[in-house]
Amino acid sequence: GEDVEQSLFLSVREGDSSVINCTYTDSSSTYLYWYKQEPGAGLQLLTYIFSNMDMKQDQRLTVLLNKKDKHLSLRIADTQTGDSAIYFCAEKGGGNKLTFGTGTQLKVEL
Amino acid sequence: DVKVTQSSRYLVKRTGEKVFLECVQDMDHENMFWYRQDPGLGLRLIYFSYDVKMKEKGDIPEGYSVSREKKERFSLILESASTNQTSMYLCASSLGRGPTDTQYFGPGTRLTVL
Repeated sequence: GEDVEQSLFLSVREGDSSVINCTYTDSSSTYLYWYKQEPGAGLQLLTYIFSNMDMKQDQRLTVLLNKKDKHLSLRIADTQTGDSAIYFCAEKGGGNKLTFGTGTQLKVEL
Repeated sequence: DVKVTQSSRYLVKRTGEKVFLECVQDMDHENMFWYRQDPGLGLRLIYFSYDVKMKEKGDIPEGYSVSREKKERFSLILESASTNQTSMYLCASSLGRGPTDTQYFGPGTRLTVL
């Protein structure tokens, strides 16, 4: 079955860039997503990328996709304390269901 | 703005009790989903529904059932709650099933089974 993996924790200083990584196994993935979960809240869609793209930029967010290695990353430029949250990558495969990664807890330190 | 609401933010139940978790969406979405979220495991799909009175098993349906009598409401039922069902439960909805159809999430219900 599909498997999506992320590292559990990332700590950065305010103003630095954060890079959150994700690997997936389903080669039929059509879209890949990044969701953000703030404390006590549900998930909020941040951005997504179609599988035939290798990069997408949206303000401070840059998504890179290496389809050959099945590796997805989310870069947050100029990370702020408000970016502290859990970030989930997810992939949508042939069955149109979302498979989520384990989530990466991003901590932004002053 | 899409709104997905869940009946309770926190719930404490005893082993063996029947538990109902309710989810309502106000955007006439066709599809609704129930996930559970556990640390280190991410979100796992329990059940989903593509239409009223339709339901499909997700990846971990054991110990759960669902009901969708009305389009806007999707209920998750724990027939006999057990301690290993202590978790955060998240409901989501989406308009369609295409790759660009975003899932919108509710705030979650943190269930503790004693």
